[in-house]
Amino acid sequence: NAGVTQTPKFRILKIGQSMTLQCAQDMNHNYMYWYRQDPGMGLKLIYYSVGAGITDKGEVPNGYNVSRSTTEDFPLRLELAAPSQTSVYFCASSHRDSIAREQYFGPGTRLTVT
Amino acid sequence: AQSVSQHNHHVILSEAASLELGCNYSYGGTVNLFWYVQYPGQHLQLLLKYFSGDPLVKGIKGFEAEFIKSKFSFNLRKPSVQWSDTAEYFCAVNPQDSGAGSYQLTFGKGTKLSVIP
Repeated sequence: NAGVTQTPKFRILKIGQSMTLQCAQDMNHNYMYWYRQDPGMGLKLIYYSVGAGITDKGEVPNGYNVSRSTTEDFPLRLELAAPSQTSVYFCASSHRDSIAREQYFGPGTRLTVT
Repeated sequence: AQSVSQHNHHVILSEAASLELGCNYSYGGTVNLFWYVQYPGQHLQLLLKYFSGDPLVKGIKGFEAEFIKSKFSFNLRKPSVQWSDTAEYFCAVNPQDSGAGSYQLTFGKGTKLSVIP
């Protein structure tokens, strides 16, 4: 049971390039989330999904897109990378039937846009 | 919308000192509360959680937290810290009554703990 996995671990992008951050979970969790973490700012929710085919915006969605074609995968797409998107990105998941609603996090992707 | 305040940005302690990290949230309804820990270079790990029952919850590695509803607080404590507790600690809140898609967490900005051997 690998939990939540993310690839790549590190990436450097030039301004205007695009990329997809991959996230997968093998815990059969219904809900998945993408956060970005900036120093001293905690985690901010970018997008979330409550199941395959259903996604919704979080607090900071601008510049990002997501899709959820399967229960396991929840990729995050950056179309035109900007320096403001330099951050650490964490994917997380939780089970719909969990009373406590705790989320389990992946190892993160450190992205630098120059 | 709910918010979470963590009072201390950086706490420095000597080994064996006692720890208390403050967390206050703003939300009028019933909440689930969490403390996550992030060791240097690692992802967030769940330290402990509260969703109902005894307001004093115990987590991993000797940590505990007390939910005081009247104060909207969920402070984290440990009686004797170790060098290995050096990490960043995040408090998070989830309103229980938000309906479908409501499992979102709102995080505080985090408190860095440095433990000096």
